[in-house]
Amino acid sequence: QKEVEQDPGPLSVPEGAIVSLNCTYSNSAFQYFMWYRQYSRKGPELLMYTYSSGNKEDGRFTAQVDKSSKYISLFIRDSQPSDSATYLCAMTRSSASKIIFGSGTRLSIRP
Amino acid sequence: DAGVIQSPRHEVTEMGQEVTLRCKPISGHDYLFWYRQTMMRGLELLIYFNNNVPIDDSGMPEDRFSAKMPNASFSTLKIQPSEPRDSAVYFCASSSRLAGINNEQFFGPGTRLTVL
Repeated sequence: QKEVEQDPGPLSVPEGAIVSLNCTYSNSAFQYFMWYRQYSRKGPELLMYTYSSGNKEDGRFTAQVDKSSKYISLFIRDSQPSDSATYLCAMTRSSASKIIFGSGTRLSIRP
Repeated sequence: DAGVIQSPRHEVTEMGQEVTLRCKPISGHDYLFWYRQTMMRGLELLIYFNNNVPIDDSGMPEDRFSAKMPNASFSTLKIQPSEPRDSAVYFCASSSRLAGINNEQFFGPGTRLTVL
């Protein structure tokens, strides 16, 4: 079993919809949680960063962490065609540990 | 800063040939990472360096893979001999810290390797 599981998709939704992307993990020691966005033929770039449990909002994006369920989510409100990309969750135990990435969910926003 | 620079962007080679991928990290970053990305396995960490020293190479799949960082501004990933199953996109990334609050790994554009 992988430490971090992520549905690969693809997920296709109409423009303006609310998108929910999710990851589950097995290691309860993970404390730092990230979402990276990767456009086609590009490298991943950091989108959101959260520490421990709770929510964090940045514009149209909200990251949510539920440590009791070992489940993290990324919500995108008012989705735009420019949001079409692969979204990778990532996590680590501490500032001294390497980051573990999920395999990514491919998202397509239809105009 | 130009960001992380990788070369070549595309490489097509035949099975058995040696392949060398190159990376120039962002100036001032102490950590350099090599990743491999495939549809089947996602983004896998192969090896990372701290201050030019290899720290964790547990992700290197086989002895055919080797990586070096002779100085703070240059790293190579070598595959010798290459095999078709090595076909993937190889990313180099750099960061100022290993991890931690608001730490970001900056990725290069990747090298798309095809081994025939």
